[in-house]
Amino acid sequence: GEDVEQSLFLSVREGDSSVINCTYTDSSSTYLYWYKQEPGAGLQLLTYIFSNMDMKQDQRLTVLLNKKDKHLSLRIADTQTGDSAIYFCADLTGANNLFFGTGTRLTVIP
Amino acid sequence: DARVTQTPRHKVTEMGQEVTMRCQPILGHNTVFWYRQTMMQGLELLAYFRNRAPLDDSGMPKDRFSAEMPDATLATLKIQPSEPRDSAVYFCASGLVGAGGNEQFFGPGTRLTVL
Repeated sequence: GEDVEQSLFLSVREGDSSVINCTYTDSSSTYLYWYKQEPGAGLQLLTYIFSNMDMKQDQRLTVLLNKKDKHLSLRIADTQTGDSAIYFCADLTGANNLFFGTGTRLTVIP
Repeated sequence: DARVTQTPRHKVTEMGQEVTMRCQPILGHNTVFWYRQTMMQGLELLAYFRNRAPLDDSGMPKDRFSAEMPDATLATLKIQPSEPRDSAVYFCASGLVGAGGNEQFFGPGTRLTVL
């Protein structure tokens, strides 16, 4: 089956940029997603990118997709303490199945 | 305001007891997922259903876990007997295949503690 991998932990200082990386294995992916989980809550969709795009920007968020290397990243500019959360990447395969990574716990140090 | 609901929100039980978690998916969604989240393993897919039929439960320990959808408004995840290593947050999510890029909507989770 599809394998989506992320590092479990990331720490950054407030004001710095955060880059959360994700790799996937399915070559027929159609959409790739980033979900955010606030403490004590379920996951919520943050942003997504269609597989024929290589970049998407939304305010402080930049999603980069390298389809050749099957690598997805989420960059958060000017990271704030309120950005501390767990970030999940997810891959929608050609068979319409959505696979999540394990999540990256982002800790922002004041 | 459509949302996925889960009950109970918290459950503390003793080892060996049966635990049943319930989920009400968003009306009209045709796919329901069960996930388990722990600090060390992250988010793991346990099972999912499409149009109430189980499609994949390979992530679930079959000897003690079972997942069912008795009707379109209710999904259950049962653990019998429970063990301390089952302590985790269990999430239910629902979605509509083919709509809006297949977004999944997550419930608030059931935090299970097995003593």
